[in-house]
Amino acid sequence: GQQLNQSPQSMFIQEGEDVSMNCTSSSIFNTWLWYKQDPGEGPVLLIALYKAGELTSNGRLTAQFGITRKDSFLNISASIPSDVGIYFCAGQLTNAGKSTFGDGTTLTVKP
Amino acid sequence: NAGVTQTPKFQVLKTGQSMTLQCAQDMNHEYMSWYRQDPGMGLRLIHYSVGAGITDQGEVPNGYNVSRSTTEDFPLRLLSAAPSQTSVYFCASSYSIEAGYEQYFGPGTRLTVT
Repeated sequence: GQQLNQSPQSMFIQEGEDVSMNCTSSSIFNTWLWYKQDPGEGPVLLIALYKAGELTSNGRLTAQFGITRKDSFLNISASIPSDVGIYFCAGQLTNAGKSTFGDGTTLTVKP
Repeated sequence: NAGVTQTPKFQVLKTGQSMTLQCAQDMNHEYMSWYRQDPGMGLRLIHYSVGAGITDQGEVPNGYNVSRSTTEDFPLRLLSAAPSQTSVYFCASSYSIEAGYEQYFGPGTRLTVT
């Protein structure tokens, strides 16, 4: 099946720093999704990307759909303590019920 | 809207017991899915449904059954619980828009099998 490699596995940063994480795949996707998961909660959708090359922002978050359709990155600018959590990328090919998830990036923000 | 709801929030089972995890959504979404999340890992797809009466297997379907008799409900049945099924289970629903699909998750059911 399709595999997603998400990196880095974890990040420890100071409040105010920018963050960058990415996902790569051996095969193409038609949709890339980025989620944040807080402890004890389900993932919450942050950004959805539908076209190769698309760059989309949501507040301090910016994500891009790679031109090859095999990768995506997420940037968080000027991090704050509430950015702490696990960030997941997910790719979809054709069926909305079938997302392939990366293993997550755990973000820790030190005040 | 309540969104995607899951019950129970926590459950402990003994090996061999069966149970049903409930999932409901009130957004009239066509697509619903079940995932499991193990420590330090992403979510893996168990079963999914593209509409009432239609279900299909995901990546890790063994030991689980689903049915979709209504648009709103998508229960997951564990037939004979095993310790390997200790995990957090998430239900999700999706709707299609012109560009693609967006998927929304419930709060999860934390299952321990002893």
